[in-house]
Amino acid sequence: KAGVTQTPRYLIKTRGQQVTLSCSPISGHRSVSWYQQTPGQGLQFLFEYFSETQRNKGNFPGRFSGRQFSNSRSEMNVSTLELGDSALYLCASSLHGQGVGDGYTFGSGTRLTVV
Amino acid sequence: DQQVKQNSPSLSVQEGRISILNCDYTNSMFDYFLWYKKYPAEGPTFLISISSIKDKNEDGRFTVFLNKSAKHLSLHIVPSQPGDSAVYFCAASALGTGTASKLTFGTGTRLQVTL
Repeated sequence: KAGVTQTPRYLIKTRGQQVTLSCSPISGHRSVSWYQQTPGQGLQFLFEYFSETQRNKGNFPGRFSGRQFSNSRSEMNVSTLELGDSALYLCASSLHGQGVGDGYTFGSGTRLTVV
Repeated sequence: DQQVKQNSPSLSVQEGRISILNCDYTNSMFDYFLWYKKYPAEGPTFLISISSIKDKNEDGRFTVFLNKSAKHLSLHIVPSQPGDSAVYFCAASALGTGTASKLTFGTGTRLQVTL
């Protein structure tokens, strides 16, 4: 079966701009979570969507937002980009998103560089 | 506030020997723990998990031990193989709360298995 697809793989943006990242989960999976990975910080939880509703949210500013469509595909948006937003953004899909690890499949990520 | 800590950024082990990766947590609400393995340019891959009702879980060459009183878990890989060289992340979840879908990750330990 197809895995989790994240697009684009690489992105370079200028400070102040906004960016939209996309994640297509495994077919049938209804939960999509987003994580930010930076050197020295590990993976930090951004938010989780389940059946088009945001179910959990991490401690990120309101510049980070997301949404999920009826086909479970999800987008993440970052507005007014800052240099510190440069990171690898990972998406994980799960059937139910109940925190059980083997149910989470990660995509390869989008590498965002803000200059 | 790093609730999941991996204090060793790197570890080097000879092929055939045991690799022991450690993880500490501070949040007593965590009741489910996971290990992920990550190769460069790929998303994390689930390795093994353990529930807080157990103190050990085995899967082939991988064993995870949990010491709840010490809030400590460890991943043992025996025997270590060159293909095990990767970054290993410890993660925790609070299944008993409304935030079950949120995984809290450590900062990772880079394992290098040498010939």
